[in-house]
Amino acid sequence: AQSVTQLGSHVSVSEGALVLLRCNYSSSVPPYLFWYVQYPNQGLQLLLKYTSAATLVKGINGFEAEFKKSETSFHLTKPSAHMSDAAEYFCAVSKGGTSYGKLTFGQGTILTVHP
Amino acid sequence: NAGVTQTPKFQVLKTGQSMTLQCAQDMNHNSMYWYRQDPGMGLRLIYYSASEGTTDKGEVPNGYNVSRLNKREFSLRLESAAPSQTSVYFCASLGQGVTEAFFGQGTRLTVV
Repeated sequence: AQSVTQLGSHVSVSEGALVLLRCNYSSSVPPYLFWYVQYPNQGLQLLLKYTSAATLVKGINGFEAEFKKSETSFHLTKPSAHMSDAAEYFCAVSKGGTSYGKLTFGQGTILTVHP
Repeated sequence: NAGVTQTPKFQVLKTGQSMTLQCAQDMNHNSMYWYRQDPGMGLRLIYYSASEGTTDKGEVPNGYNVSRLNKREFSLRLESAAPSQTSVYFCASLGQGVTEAFFGQGTRLTVV
């Protein structure tokens, strides 16, 4: 069975500050990991994904994440927060192969950005 | 290119009523999925269809049925709605050789 834990249901940062959203996973098989962003009343948009290639993954809007197998983590970072980054962020894991769309999601982290 | 389209966007039902949530994708994807989103719980998989003509249960299938009408369309039916089914429902699709699912805009359902 797979599971995802996002540490911190709410994270608040100042504009221009570092954004760090934490995600830890458990998986019995090599995982495929995703970060999605959800803006208010919108669907989910893919930020970035790890599918067993480079462990440091760069995504859209300046976000990146590093897959650390030894720590079973896939934390999301952005060097400088922008007001437009305010949204809810979801970490998700799948088994890959024919199961890429069968995602197990974390609980979500709401990011607030203060001026 | 609309991607994944869900209808309706909002719905209020009375307990015991039935309804069908519609989902259509125009990306020629083989696989389609229904998730529900509840506060503090992320998204959970209800049902999925790996290909046209097949459907399988996900993590939380009780109280729901699905139909893969054709390659484009995947509907979710609530036969007798309950307040516990108040949620935001998302449809997603995945193409062969693609590694990430594409999501619709969601249907916000309230059961009173």
